[in-house]
Amino acid sequence: DSGVTQTPKHLITATGQRVTLRCSPRSGDLSVYWYQQSLDQGLQFLIQYYNGEERAKGNILERFSAQQFPDLHSELNLSSLELGDSALYFCASSVGTGGPYNEQFFGPGTRLTVL
Amino acid sequence: DQQVKQNSPSLSVQEGRISILNCDYTNSMFDYFLWYKKYPAEGPTFLISISSIKDKNEDGRFTVFLNKSAKHLSLHIVPSQPGDSAVYFCAASGGYQKVTFGIGTKLQVIP
Repeated sequence: DSGVTQTPKHLITATGQRVTLRCSPRSGDLSVYWYQQSLDQGLQFLIQYYNGEERAKGNILERFSAQQFPDLHSELNLSSLELGDSALYFCASSVGTGGPYNEQFFGPGTRLTVL
Repeated sequence: DQQVKQNSPSLSVQEGRISILNCDYTNSMFDYFLWYKKYPAEGPTFLISISSIKDKNEDGRFTVFLNKSAKHLSLHIVPSQPGDSAVYFCAASGGYQKVTFGIGTKLQVIP
């Protein structure tokens, strides 16, 4: 158990819909990262928050947005869903600001299926 | 543009033998490299890392080798055990660049 929790575990929805994925980082971790893993793809970095502020942005679509709340939990919002958005979405957390030497601890992921 | 490449999608090894997982990178700015292990229905977990100032780092049965001139690293598992069966992700970062992951190699250790 990494200490990072993600809800829900599974989500099935239809095209055009909007969903929210939730992540609670390890106690004491200030950075939260979101990744997408599609079939036969590696972990694609989406976005990072540090202590409530956006820190780094990766390959995140404009239809996707995220935020980190004062209690440090984070939410990833996915809207106007398309079939291609079906993937595993992982949240990770780390102690520091996300420099290269900060080990990231991953949650178990949310499997999103768009029908 | 895949900056971190794991060209072998899968690997099968007999229990007790050596497992060698390979990873190539293209970005010269990368100076820190990590391996993560992932079991089904779980998130990746950190396994071992190496800084570019070293060419080898060892942790128990796991050793990572780095060849900077070839932009290549490898993970050796000796001896391999059935519990090592998992997907292994190679990752790299540099400066304050985000960590970039490869697509993973699925290792199966056959009892």
